[in-house]
Amino acid sequence: DGGITQSPKYLFRKEGQNVTLSCEQNLNHDAMYWYRQDPGQGLRLIYYSQIVNDFQKGDIAEGYSVSREKKESFPLTVTSAQKNPTAFYLCASSIAAGTGHYGYTFGSGTRLTVV
Amino acid sequence: AQRVTQPEKLLSVFKGAPVELKCNYSYSGSPELFWYVQYSRQRLQLLLRHISRESIKGFTADLNKGETSFHLKKPFAQEEDSAMYYCALNGGSQGNLIFGKGTKLSVKP
Repeated sequence: DGGITQSPKYLFRKEGQNVTLSCEQNLNHDAMYWYRQDPGQGLRLIYYSQIVNDFQKGDIAEGYSVSREKKESFPLTVTSAQKNPTAFYLCASSIAAGTGHYGYTFGSGTRLTVV
Repeated sequence: AQRVTQPEKLLSVFKGAPVELKCNYSYSGSPELFWYVQYSRQRLQLLLRHISRESIKGFTADLNKGETSFHLKKPFAQEEDSAMYYCALNGGSQGNLIFGKGTKLSVKP
């Protein structure tokens, strides 16, 4: 059964703590993306990766970091430098960068709350 | 600058009424546009894309380059259409989608 799996579904972070959100896909997609979804703000791009071992900053990359060591995996770390991390985080993938006309496949999301 | 604008945060209609969710874009090249839908407690999913000129669940959307619009339309709304709808633009060679802020459609019985 192909798709994107995000884990955990809910995550609680203490002030000053780094946390990592997992995103795994078995669709053999080259490109992967992280978006942040806030009420009334739509989806804002955090980071994206077009190929293994390469990634680029999106519009709101400050306070976040990523890695792309494997084609299937694109974890997102929310660092203590992110001032307002409470949000819903969405991971997506597409066949390849530049072929956006196929659209994205999205994961089910991780809701991060700072406590 | 590349931008997608969805002017309505909330659209409320009665079952059986026509519905139109507005989307305007700003893009210098030849745009690729999409509509995504997020039903309650479900993941965001592709509804339709302008390049395929398809009709999904009774919804259609026509690209109007003169008005830079890609409005989503359905002649007779159903209660199960209630969801959050996002318009998105392919931002170019990087393949990143630029999303609007979304419109919440509420179809009342």
